[in-house]
Amino acid sequence: EPEVTQTPSHQVTQMGQEVILRCVPISNHLYFYWYRQILGQKVEFLVSFYNNEISEKSEIFDDQFSVERPDGSNFTLKIRSTKLEDSAMYFCASTLPGTYEQYFGPGTRLTVT
Amino acid sequence: AQSVSQHNHHVILSEAASLELGCNYSYGGTVNLFWYVQYPGQHLQLLLKYFSGDPLVKGIKGFEAEFIKSKFSFNLRKPSVQWSDTAEYFCAVSSTSGTYKYIFGTGTRLKVLA
Repeated sequence: EPEVTQTPSHQVTQMGQEVILRCVPISNHLYFYWYRQILGQKVEFLVSFYNNEISEKSEIFDDQFSVERPDGSNFTLKIRSTKLEDSAMYFCASTLPGTYEQYFGPGTRLTVT
Repeated sequence: AQSVSQHNHHVILSEAASLELGCNYSYGGTVNLFWYVQYPGQHLQLLLKYFSGDPLVKGIKGFEAEFIKSKFSFNLRKPSVQWSDTAEYFCAVSSTSGTYKYIFGTGTRLKVLA
């Protein structure tokens, strides 16, 4: 069964550094999402991406964040200058339009020190 | 504002006990409803979903949920839990239009004692 994959599984970075989290959505899916879960808190929507552009973003998704689909398979989340409060588990998800069900990747645990 | 509430944050049950996890939502318009499970160290997996039709939906691993529109609720149930059901359970809501983003509840950690 096709799966969403994410790399790396764990990323440790210093405050102020740039990080790129990578996701490979299911190949025929067209909607892509990033969510994050700070330890002990709920899973929060960050951004959705469709037709090579952001379709919706949350208040969390400020100018420090960006997303890109550089080729036909990868979907990346970049944080330009990480802060301590960016430490969280980041989940990528994808879906087909009209099916509503999102398929989630295993997550990347980002630790900012 | 759109929100999802899960009333139980931690639940401890013995094997064979019955389970009911509450989920209430506040969302304008027609919604899709989901329950996901996250086993330790694993990714979110879909347990069941409701889009329309019969408000009682059955999912995998013997789970079911009932959509009660008048109560804005979508409670998850299982008649008899197993040790392997130990996991975190998330209720989620999405719109039927737009970007279909999910709004998640805070999650319920279930521990089943053998």
